[in-house]
Amino acid sequence: QKEVEQDPGPLSVPEGAIVSLNCTYSNSAFQYFMWYRQYSRKGPELLMYTYSSGNKEDGRFTAQVDKSSKYISLFIRDSQPSDSATYLCAMKGQAGTALIFGKGTTLSVSS
Amino acid sequence: GAVVSQHPSRVICKSGTSVKIECRSLDFQATTMFWYRQFPKQSLMLMATSNEGSKATYEQGVEKDKFLINHASLTLSTLTVTSAHPEDSSFYICSWDTQETQYFGPGTRLLVL
Repeated sequence: QKEVEQDPGPLSVPEGAIVSLNCTYSNSAFQYFMWYRQYSRKGPELLMYTYSSGNKEDGRFTAQVDKSSKYISLFIRDSQPSDSATYLCAMKGQAGTALIFGKGTTLSVSS
Repeated sequence: GAVVSQHPSRVICKSGTSVKIECRSLDFQATTMFWYRQFPKQSLMLMATSNEGSKATYEQGVEKDKFLINHASLTLSTLTVTSAHPEDSSFYICSWDTQETQYFGPGTRLLVL
């Protein structure tokens, strides 16, 4: 079993749709959880980060972490064509340690 | 958010030459940083972990003598690809650890002819 599982998609939605992305993980030591967006030929851009369980909202984005289920989610409201990218979940146990990434989900939002 | 720069953004070189990639954190300082490599349509592959003032720790399969890391300050790290070969052509990305998260640079595309 891989440490972090993420459905690679592709996921195609119409503009304005609510998008739900998620990852599951197996290591209960993970404490820091992140979502990155990566456009083709660019470095990953940090969207949200959360420490431990809970919800966090920033504009159209909401991140949820359920440590009891080892499940994290990213919701995108009112999706836009500019949201078309690969979304990577990432997590780590302690500060200064390397991130463990999911494989990334490719999202396409059509206008 | 925090800003990380990489220079150059793309480089083309001849086989056998060395290439230096610079990674800077512009508006924060951090002790620990990472170098990644990414091939087309694949995930990021961790190459090495570097702590300021210490020798870098390389992942299995990454040659430390080929990929030289210099991390002399809390805001600057360099990766030198020595005696580059076509198989070293890839997208190289750095990141800096800020305890709760990591910030990535925009990446450097290396093409070795």
